[in-house]
Amino acid sequence: GENVEQHPSTLSVQEGDSAVIKCTYSDSASNYFPWYKQELGKGPQLIIDIRSNVGEKKDQRIAVTLNKTAKHFSLHITETQPEDSAVYFCAASISTSGGSYIPTFGRGTSLIVHP
Amino acid sequence: DTEVTQTPKHLVMGMTNKKSLKCEQHMGHRAMYWYKQKAKKPPELMFVYSYEKLSINESVPSRFSPECPNSSLLNLHLHALQPEDSALYLCASSLPRDNTEAFFGQGTRLTVV
Repeated sequence: GENVEQHPSTLSVQEGDSAVIKCTYSDSASNYFPWYKQELGKGPQLIIDIRSNVGEKKDQRIAVTLNKTAKHFSLHITETQPEDSAVYFCAASISTSGGSYIPTFGRGTSLIVHP
Repeated sequence: DTEVTQTPKHLVMGMTNKKSLKCEQHMGHRAMYWYKQKAKKPPELMFVYSYEKLSINESVPSRFSPECPNSSLLNLHLHALQPEDSALYLCASSLPRDNTEAFFGQGTRLTVV
């Protein structure tokens, strides 16, 4: 089955700095890569996603890059703010015949942004 | 309406109790999911329903019994749980198309005593 590795497990930055979280996946059949942000006591919330036919996607301060050959993808957050502090999960998804969406999650990165 | 609503938010139950977790969405999503999340860990898939039929059961013990009574509702019936079953239980839903966004609820924090 799919295996997703995520690094680092903890990332501490100063407000205004950039943060980068990296993930690798094992199954070349994976073709959808969402990133989730989970704040304490809440469910995961999708912040950005990328499909295998795209190499890069950006949404304001957040960007994701995908290298299909190397099987890795990364989340980039620029101009970090204290409210960006949360746990971030990457995931890799393989389509199912039933039309459902089965992501394999990375272990998560705890991002701490110091004011 | 882009919400997945889970009730209750918190639940404490004894090992001999029977309880149910509920999940509701009105986004027309026909794929619904139960996940279990332990502290500082990623969500673990338990069950997937596609068009109200159970399509995936990730070898979950029978003390967890899912039910999908209609396209908007998903239940998880709990019976004879163990303390190690204490966790955050998350419901999610998505369109039944390949690789579309899954919306997660806020979860039910379950404590088994």
